[in-house]
Amino acid sequence: DAGVIQSPRHEVTEMGQEVTLRCKPISGHNSLFWYRQTMMRGLELLIYFNNNVPIDDSGMPEDRFSAKMPNASFSTLKIQPSEPRDSAVYFCASSFGLGEITGELFFGEGSRLTVL
Amino acid sequence: AQTVTQSQPEMSVQEAETVTLSCTYDTSESDYYLFWYKQPPSRQMILVIRQEAYKQQNATENRFSVNFQKAAKSFSLKISDSQLGDAAMYFCAYRSLYGNKLVFGAGTILRVKS
Repeated sequence: DAGVIQSPRHEVTEMGQEVTLRCKPISGHNSLFWYRQTMMRGLELLIYFNNNVPIDDSGMPEDRFSAKMPNASFSTLKIQPSEPRDSAVYFCASSFGLGEITGELFFGEGSRLTVL
Repeated sequence: AQTVTQSQPEMSVQEAETVTLSCTYDTSESDYYLFWYKQPPSRQMILVIRQEAYKQQNATENRFSVNFQKAAKSFSLKISDSQLGDAAMYFCAYRSLYGNKLVFGAGTILRVKS
């Protein structure tokens, strides 16, 4: 079975450019999460969706960050304009949603973003 | 809000030996999940083991086992017969039974010496 698929794996861009990260969750999962990992702050939850609806975006650092989930099989995280401090690994994860048996989140391989 | 604390930034273990990674958490809930995830240099997050808070029995997965102390809010991971492939960053994580957030600790880097 395909796991969570993220693209791109690596992105290098210049300050001020728009960055779009993409995620395809595991088929049948109805919750999707975007995490950011940095050395300084560890793993931070940015936003999560349940049934394509954003439930909690309190972790989104600034208005420069936005996330969408137009359907059950696709989500994007956009940074516009990007800044060097946005450099991090961005993970997408999915799960079955509230009250499921295992509670496990399944992670993609991450997108490493470098903003010069 | 729930918090997860891993007090050991780094640990080392000799190959074939046993090592225990510590984790404590803070919550007012009675039902929840606890997890240990492994992140090797490839950066893929891999589930190692899970524990449901309502289960008194400690979870075990092959060489990996946990010591779950609910009253003390402690959830340590024991790795027996350590192997070179166990070298990674290990994250302890908490998830409410009725919520969606997975809250991570800061991680512990495990080094395995041959």
